[in-house]
Amino acid sequence: LAKTTQPISMDSYEGQEVNITCSHNNIATNDYITWYQQFPSQGPRFIIQGYKTKVTNEVASLFIPADRKSSTLSLPRVSLSDTAVYYCLVGGGYNKLIFGAGTRLAVHP
Amino acid sequence: GAVVSQHPSRVICKSGTSVKIECRSLDFQATTMFWYRQFPKQSLMLMATSNEGSKATYEQGVEKDKFLINHASLTLSTLTVTSAHPEDSSFYICSARADKYTAGGKAADTQYFGPGTRLTVL
Repeated sequence: LAKTTQPISMDSYEGQEVNITCSHNNIATNDYITWYQQFPSQGPRFIIQGYKTKVTNEVASLFIPADRKSSTLSLPRVSLSDTAVYYCLVGGGYNKLIFGAGTRLAVHP
Repeated sequence: GAVVSQHPSRVICKSGTSVKIECRSLDFQATTMFWYRQFPKQSLMLMATSNEGSKATYEQGVEKDKFLINHASLTLSTLTVTSAHPEDSSFYICSARADKYTAGGKAADTQYFGPGTRLTVL
């Protein structure tokens, strides 16, 4: 199972772009990269998933370099409601997901 | 997005009783569901993998006789905490993996999580 490493915490201000980078040096060929957001006392919410290059949806972008050993979640123009814990996970197919510590993002006024 | 529900959302019980938690995928089929436990300020810890029509696979250190898992259909898995004790108090979260060929537009092979169940054992 690929292990992921993320910053423990980050701080930002409303309206700024936030980039959270995740390292996954031993990612397997068939692994996807998935990011989740979790608020206190709620289940994780799916944000975005990708395999390589760039993926964009209505809430975020995911940048994956060619070697796939890292990925960056980009949140454009964050608001106070984006304060949460963000988890980067790698896996795919029938592999189970193992959660790391995640990144606690605090958005300030 | 894909919807996974859990019931109940919170439960308080006396020590020694059993509690059943339901996890349902509402708009997609899920051959595989997962159960996690999360303590305050900590990350999610995988407890077991639940496969429809077969026995669950438990993670190391998780007592299978204490945490009974049943996955009777492609949209329902249940977790029963038997003879609950205060140390079992936690936030229990399930996830359902959208089957590749029945994902209905959802990201295939992706896990979607329920809202969680807060269990308090007195």
